[in-house]
Formats: sequence, structure tokens, C-alpha cells
Amino acid sequence: QQQVKQSPQSLIVQKGGISIINCAYENTAFDYFPWYQQFPGKGPALLIAIRPDVSEKKEGRFTISFNKSAKQFSLHIMDSQPGDSATYFCAASINRGYNKLIFGAGTRLAVHP
Amino acid sequence: EAQVTQNPRYLITVTGKKLTVTCSQNMNHEYMSWYRQDPGLGLRQIYYSMNVEVTDKGDVPEGYKVSRKEKRNFPLILESPSPNQTSLYFCASSYRANTEAFFGQGTRLTVV
Repeated sequence: QQQVKQSPQSLIVQKGGISIINCAYENTAFDYFPWYQQFPGKGPALLIAIRPDVSEKKEGRFTISFNKSAKQFSLHIMDSQPGDSATYFCAASINRGYNKLIFGAGTRLAVHP
Repeated sequence: EAQVTQNPRYLITVTGKKLTVTCSQNMNHEYMSWYRQDPGLGLRQIYYSMNVEVTDKGDVPEGYKVSRKEKRNFPLILESPSPNQTSLYFCASSYRANTEAFFGQGTRLTVV
């Protein structure tokens, strides 16, 4: 049972374009929504995270949009660069005293020059 | 340098031969977890630990064991590996719940 559904599975974007990855969740108790970036041969690394009390968070070219009523959140990468080519995972967790992240299936992004 | 170190990075073993994957963090984090990554499934939590001697099952604990005798170390034990445990494994640590998780480099395990 996938509690966090991520789409698309793969994405090809031209350099300078906007990359958009979407996630939907079911459990309304989730209160932390991070995005992780993973390069081949490496472990995932936190890219940006949001909590449900805000609708948007921006860090440089990366923006999370959060829609609490629709139970959806998305990652936007502006001015996409070839160096952004990686696999991106959305995740969600509940603050119950332990750190259990529920991950989406991942999106493989390729940015072509 | 703050990091999570896993060993080995690659391992090929035979069915039934006990193995241990080590994990160590130097950030004095309370929380540690093990995940497995499989294509199309993302990362799934195997076990987690909130502190020394405190461990609990994640979503896919069958066939795995863990221990947390020291704060910095959290080994993953496969007592009788089977081919369905062929996967990419990651150890992660974090300061507290709902904060940044730091992942190791991964261990690619093949069970034949």
C-alpha cells in the first residue's frame, strides 16, 4: 500500500525549462513533507522540506507547493540544469516521537542540454 | 566531516549465509533507521531506533534484525539471507523526529 503516490516515474526536460514532480498522500496526520535528491551511487540527500502550515516554500531554484485540502504537494525546479539530473523522492512523516519517512516511488529526471 | 558510513558498499552472498551490514554516524544523532530501495517502490523502512537499546520494526522487517548497543552504531543483520533480499540498503540518522535524515552511501546486496 503506497501511502505517498509520486508522478511521473520519469521526466525529460530541456535545459532552462521547469521540472514539476507531483505527490499525493492519504494520511492527514502527516505533518512533515521533505524532498530528497539522489545521484547515482549516492544516498538520498535532503533538498527542501515543508510543513503543512505554509502553502509554499522556496529555496533558490527549488519550490515546494503544498495543497492541504487536496492532500497534494509538488516540487518545481526552475531553470533546470543538466546537474539537476537525478532521482527525486517525495516523502511524508508524522511526528510521533520517531522518524519514519514514507517515501514515494521516485522520479528520474533527465535535463538535456 | 559529518557523515553516515556503511560497510560494505557491495556484497554478493549465497542463500542462508549470515551477514552483517555495519552503519556508523558521527553526528551524535538519536534516531537511526535502515531502508531498502527497490525499483518502483522507493525506499521502505526496515527497522528504526530512537535511542540506545530502543529499536522497533518498520514496514518491511521480515528477515532482518538490528541492534543498538552504542549511540553511533546500528548494524543490520540478515541471519539467513534469501534472494528476495537482493536490494540496495541505506542507513540513515537524524537528530530528532521530523528533521533532516542523513543517509549513508548505500550497500548493494546480491543474494544468489
